[in-house]
Amino acid sequence: GAVVSQHPSWVICKSGTSVKIECRSLDFQATTMFWYRQFPKQSLMLMATSNEGSKATYEQGVEKDKFLINHASLTLSTLTVTSAHPEDSSFYICSASDTYEQYFGPGTRLTVT
Amino acid sequence: AQSVTQPDIHITVSEGASLELRCNYSYGATPYLFWYVQSPGQGLQLLLKYFSGDTLVQGIKGFEAEFKRSQSSFNLRKPSVHWSDAAEYFCAVAAGYGNKLVFGAGTILRVKS
Repeated sequence: GAVVSQHPSWVICKSGTSVKIECRSLDFQATTMFWYRQFPKQSLMLMATSNEGSKATYEQGVEKDKFLINHASLTLSTLTVTSAHPEDSSFYICSASDTYEQYFGPGTRLTVT
Repeated sequence: AQSVTQPDIHITVSEGASLELRCNYSYGATPYLFWYVQSPGQGLQLLLKYFSGDTLVQGIKGFEAEFKRSQSSFNLRKPSVHWSDAAEYFCAVAAGYGNKLVFGAGTILRVKS
């Protein structure tokens, strides 16, 4: 089956620094990748949709200058949290779509101290 | 706009008992419906999906769901719950293949022995 990986699986960073999270589709080419955010005991909220080679489409209320998304190839998308603050601490999950279905990564736990 | 309602935040069932998790959606056209399961700190695993055809769909781990257009529902069922089914379950809707998912709030399932 289709496999999506995320790296790192967890990261701790200091307030004011930037953190990059990678999302890779390992055995298929993803036409579209999605980034979701999940707060503790809450549902997943879509942050942005990215297509290879084009700018990401951000959901309303998501700061595009804070959450930089790059979709460099059909198998890799990155989310960079810039100037991270404690309120950015969350579980970030990516998914990759092969047009018919979304396949989810295992998630990245970000803690900003 | 699409939306999903999962009216039960928590459900507790005895091991071996039957299970039904409720999901109601709002979408003007034919929805693409999904059920996912998430264990603590993990990504999402697809249990089953409905795109078209037979309204009773079978999924993994013995789960099934029935699409009822008249009730705008897509309830998840399992005839006999196992302790390993304890997790959080999310219902989701999409506008089409590979489109962004809108998730319900989730239902936490507890299984008592």
